Amino acid sequence: SQTIHQWPATLVQPVGSPLSLECTVEGTSNPNLYWYRQAAGRGLQLLFYSVGIGQISSEVPQNLSASRPQDRQFILSSKKLLLSDSGFYLCAWSGQSGRMDTQYFGPGTRLTVL
Amino acid sequence: AQKVTQAQTEISVVEKEDVTLDCVYETRDTTYYLFWYKQPPSGELVFLIRRNSFDEQNEISGRYSWNFQKSTSSFNFTITASQVVDSAVYFCALSETNRDDKIIFGKGTRLHILP
Repeated sequence: SQTIHQWPATLVQPVGSPLSLECTVEGTSNPNLYWYRQAAGRGLQLLFYSVGIGQISSEVPQNLSASRPQDRQFILSSKKLLLSDSGFYLCAWSGQSGRMDTQYFGPGTRLTVL
Repeated sequence: AQKVTQAQTEISVVEKEDVTLDCVYETRDTTYYLFWYKQPPSGELVFLIRRNSFDEQNEISGRYSWNFQKSTSSFNFTITASQVVDSAVYFCALSETNRDDKIIFGKGTRLHILP
């Protein structure tokens, strides 16, 4: 069966510090991968998605970036965090492109920028 | 334009009562999928159901049931005999063709089940 992992689970970082969040998927190959952010008490905002290694599409211009160095690994990064980057970050995967497949979510990373 | 509206921001019911969460969507596609997800206090989104636009049969899974009506563009979710463990934020979502498999989420309904 497929599983999705995210780490760290929680993170407290000072403003201006770098960020690296990691997401890995097991039990499937060539998944679509997604990064979402959920601000406190608000809905889900799609940040990035990837249909393959090295293929990243950005949904919202910001100081975050994403990379997919391996088929089942998706990384969210920032060179300098802002206060507004605080939130709950969720990674998700789905099956092959074009099938409108269900997205399955990881446990999330709660980021607090101070 | 594609859109998912969950008009109920927050609902509170007493345990064992039935509760219905509303979801209205907008799409120009004839082929699309609708989803419901549950987000308990732990934060992880849990997939509940996926329905395609050609299947309007209502679905029941234990205490959960879903009513899909294309005529009113609605996909409502009912919990029967609610329990405290049902307390969560529930998201309705829409996925269309030619959208790179992206899902459009509603803003969610926070459900409180009071003991």
